[in-house]
Amino acid sequence: DQQVKQNSPSLSVQEGRISILNCDYTNSMFDYFLWYKKYPAEGPTFLISISSIKDKNEDGRFTVFLNKSAKHLSLHIVPSQPGDSAVYFCAASALSNYQLIWGAGTKLIIKP
Amino acid sequence: DGGITQSPKYLFRKEGQNVTLSCEQNLNHDAMYWYRQDPGQGLRLIYYSQIVNDFQKGDIAEGYSVSREKKESFPLTVTSAQKNPTAFYLCASRDRGSGANVLTFGAGSRLTVL
Repeated sequence: DQQVKQNSPSLSVQEGRISILNCDYTNSMFDYFLWYKKYPAEGPTFLISISSIKDKNEDGRFTVFLNKSAKHLSLHIVPSQPGDSAVYFCAASALSNYQLIWGAGTKLIIKP
Repeated sequence: DGGITQSPKYLFRKEGQNVTLSCEQNLNHDAMYWYRQDPGQGLRLIYYSQIVNDFQKGDIAEGYSVSREKKESFPLTVTSAQKNPTAFYLCASRDRGSGANVLTFGAGSRLTVL
């Protein structure tokens, strides 16, 4: 039973364009969402988060949007750069227990 | 530099052998976690520890054991009872005092059973 789903295993985007990575969740108790970035043979690194009291959070080139009614969040990267090529994981938790539930990841490939 | 050190980075094991993966952190974080990553899947929680001398099973604890004798150390033993141990193992920690649910990860250990 996948509570957090990233339905696109991979995504290819031209350098300089916008990358949009999507994530859906099923558990309405989730109230905190995070995006992590992972390079091969390394651990994931935290990218950006959003709590359910907001619908948007920005940090430089990265923006996360949350649509609670649709149980959907997305990560926008503008403009996309070669160093953005990595696997991106979406994770969710209920603040009451702090346990993160992870999506399967989306591999982003930035083409020159 | 503060961070999490996992060792070894690569490990090969024969069937029937126990192996222990090391995880050390100098971030002064109270909580520590072990995850397993398999191709095409999200991270799955094996064990976690909120404080020294206490730990809890995660979603896939069978065939694994841990200890938390020191705040900075959280070793994971993959026992011979784990039926499919070949995977990438990630250790993480969290600062409980910060109130944020952000984990810091180590670089991982890849275990291959021959």
